[in-house]
Amino acid sequence: NAGVTQTPKFQVLKTGQSMTLQCAQDMNHNSMYWYRQDPGMGLRLIYYSASEGTTDKGEVPNGYNVSRLNKREFSLRLESAAPSQTSVYFCASSEAGRYGYTFGSGTRLTVV
Amino acid sequence: QKEVEQNSGPLSVPEGAIASLNCTYSDRVSQSFFWYRQYSGKSPELIMSIYSNGDKEDGRFTAQLNKASQYVSLLIRDSQPSDSATYLCAVILGNDMRFGAGTRLTVKP
Repeated sequence: NAGVTQTPKFQVLKTGQSMTLQCAQDMNHNSMYWYRQDPGMGLRLIYYSASEGTTDKGEVPNGYNVSRLNKREFSLRLESAAPSQTSVYFCASSEAGRYGYTFGSGTRLTVV
Repeated sequence: QKEVEQNSGPLSVPEGAIASLNCTYSDRVSQSFFWYRQYSGKSPELIMSIYSNGDKEDGRFTAQLNKASQYVSLLIRDSQPSDSATYLCAVILGNDMRFGAGTRLTVKP
């Protein structure tokens, strides 16, 4: 089915470990986004890519890096995981910034 | 002031009733507004978008926008137990979308 695919779905990391969350969309959307969702905090934007070749910081970029590999793929990297990065991570895409987003199924990350 | 504010709830309504969900936003220049539904343990799903003042209806859902009051609402008519979920209000600010913390709705049979 068309949509946004995220991997992995679950991950447990030890403090200081690194990992990359993968996201791919097959809707030919220009814009892609990474959010984290914490209880009571709602969805907060980490990074976004308005178009292939560009990336920009969102509300909470510290501790993360991103790569827009091509139009389809947008990855999120945690270089040195911290317990404060325990969260649910969602990737999303949209045709253009003013339209609604399509979300992936999420990655539940626990840092111990 | 938060950019997008919603009552966290929980909001409880009986089956068949109208559920009313409210949202205020801080940026007067915002032009695009959305409602998402999120079931527990699942990802947000877009259910309504609204860009102009007034009402927009889609089936049992009606979104209402008042830009002068910086207020957007979602009405769910004939509420069903399957509507029980968290509803997220979202607003485009600049190049990205900002979300409220969500209102948890429970529809009791």
